[in-house]
Amino acid sequence: QKEVEQNSGPLSVPEGAIASLNCTYSDRGSQSFFWYRQYSGKSPELIMSIYSNGDKEDGRFTAQLNKASQYVSLLIRDSQPSDSATYLCAVKARGGYQKVTFGTGTKLQVIP
Amino acid sequence: NAGVTQTPKFQVLKTGQSMTLQCAQDMNHNSMYWYRQDPGMGLRLIYYSASEGTTDKGEVPNGYNVSRLNKREFSLRLESAAPSQTSVYFCASSEDISGGWSTDTQYFGPGTRLTVL
Repeated sequence: QKEVEQNSGPLSVPEGAIASLNCTYSDRGSQSFFWYRQYSGKSPELIMSIYSNGDKEDGRFTAQLNKASQYVSLLIRDSQPSDSATYLCAVKARGGYQKVTFGTGTKLQVIP
Repeated sequence: NAGVTQTPKFQVLKTGQSMTLQCAQDMNHNSMYWYRQDPGMGLRLIYYSASEGTTDKGEVPNGYNVSRLNKREFSLRLESAAPSQTSVYFCASSEDISGGWSTDTQYFGPGTRLTVL
């Protein structure tokens, strides 16, 4: 079982719709969770971080964390063509150093 | 602030050649990382440095060496390049408040695209 799993996609949504991206992780003791966006040929950039169960909203983005189910998601409201990118889920495990494990990413395509 | 910078942006090597990838950050971060990214494999940690003067292996360290030259700079060396090391290499840094709970974000450089023939 992979430590962090994501559906590779592509996930296609029409412009203006809600895009829902999902991620599961295996280490029950994980403490920190991140969503990065990566445009083709570019480096990852942080969109959201979440540390406790529940929802965290930032503009059009909402991160949801359910530690009991070992599940983290990212919702993008009013999706725009500029949101088309690969979204990487990252999980920081417990431990003595800052180890962050990345999922392989979900490719999102927003259709105008 | 330039953030995290990497040189070179592109490189083509022949099997057996050596090279050093350079990385520098101007955010006064304690921790620095080297990742490689391959299609379908995601980002995999090669080496990291939790603080100046320390380095540790990550998930895929074989064939690589690193040097944390000072707080700003963290280099990655390929002593004898192999085709399996063809990849995109990212350097990252984080503030890394040591011990226990942390809200650290990793900031990535633009990447080096390496091809080994």
